[in-house]
Parts: sequence; C-alpha cells; structure tokens
Amino acid sequence: NAGVTQTPKFQVLKTGQSMTLQCAQDMNHEYMSWYRQDPGMGLRLIHYSVGAGITDQGEVPNGYNVSRSTTEDFPLRLLSAAPSQTSVYFCASSAAWAAGANVLTFGAGSRLTVL
Amino acid sequence: AQTVTQSQPEMSVQEAETVTLSCTYDTSENNYYLFWYKQPPSRQMILVIRQEAYKQQNATENRFSVNFQKAAKSFSLKISDSQLGDTAMYFCAFMKTSGTYKYIFGTGTRLKVLA
Repeated sequence: NAGVTQTPKFQVLKTGQSMTLQCAQDMNHEYMSWYRQDPGMGLRLIHYSVGAGITDQGEVPNGYNVSRSTTEDFPLRLLSAAPSQTSVYFCASSAAWAAGANVLTFGAGSRLTVL
Repeated sequence: AQTVTQSQPEMSVQEAETVTLSCTYDTSENNYYLFWYKQPPSRQMILVIRQEAYKQQNATENRFSVNFQKAAKSFSLKISDSQLGDTAMYFCAFMKTSGTYKYIFGTGTRLKVLA
C-alpha cells in the first residue's frame, strides 16, 4: 500500500520555467489537496479537489494550476516559476464522506528551489 | 474566516517529562474537527490525534491527549512520558464539517525532547 506518492522529491528551477509536481494516491480517496510549507507560516492550502473533475482554490492559489481527471492523480503545475515559490510542497488526501474520514494522509513532500 | 494560532514557536522537554502544546482557533462554526499532526525531521506528516467538536470527551491516544475547551476555542496537546522520538514540529489544524472542504493549519510548534 503506497499511500500518497509525490514526485519529484527535489527540484531546482530557473525563474520563468514551468513544471509539474505529481501526486498519486491508491486509497480511492475523494479529497486531495496541495499545501506549501514555509518557515514560520505553517502549511497553507494552494488548491484542493473533492472528486474527479472538481477543483477549487485555497489560500494561496496564484501562480499554480491543478486538474483532477482521475480519482488517483492530482498534479500541481507551476506556470512560470518565481523565487517566491521556493518552498516545500505537500500533497495530502483523505476519504471525504465515510465515518472516520477527514484525516489527511500526506505525501513525503517535494522541495522546490527557484533561482 | 477561520484562523488557528499556535503561540509557542519552540519548546523543549526532558525525556520522560510531560509537555503541553497550546492551540487556539477562531470560528463561528458549531461543528468542526480539530487535529494535531506531527512532522518529524524526516518531513513526513502523520496524524497524532483528532477531536470532533460535538464530543465533549477529550480524545486520547496512548501518551497523547488533548484538552478541548470549546467555549474558549482552545485545543491543547499534552504529551506524557516524552520520548526522544517525539522530537518534531507539531501542527494544530481545523476543519469545518459544512460548506467548503478546507483545512486550516497553525504555524507549528517545534518540540525538542532532551535526553
């Protein structure tokens, strides 16, 4: 049981480049989300999805794009990377509606550096 | 909008002692969930404990327990018999049960357990 798999674990980009952080889960979770973690700021929600074909914005969506074509995958796209997007990114999922739901299962994180 | 505040950026405790981490939140909702997540140096986020707001009884998980004061909007985490493996960043989180499906995290408390 792999849980939530994020790739890549580390990435260095130049300003203006684009890239996609991949997230896949094998638990049939309806809810998937992306967070960024910055020192002193905790985790901030970027985008989330409550099912295939449904996405919505979180606290800090600007500069990021998401899609949810399948239940398993929820990629995060950086359209034109900026140094302010240097951060550690976490993907997390949960069962949305079942009893005992709402507990997030996190991926291992992706450290992104934008030069 | 909901907010979560963790006023202790760093704490330390001697091995085998007890420590309490503070968390306060602000919401006008009546039904919600509260969580404590742990992030050890490995960076992997894992659930420590969860509390449903409609339950008056405080949640416990082995050495971890919470003091949930709904009227005061306080949700502290007590770690008993602290172990070296408890060294981690601890995040308090809030999620309301209606409307948008968003988690709000605090800024975290870095706990160091001393041998």
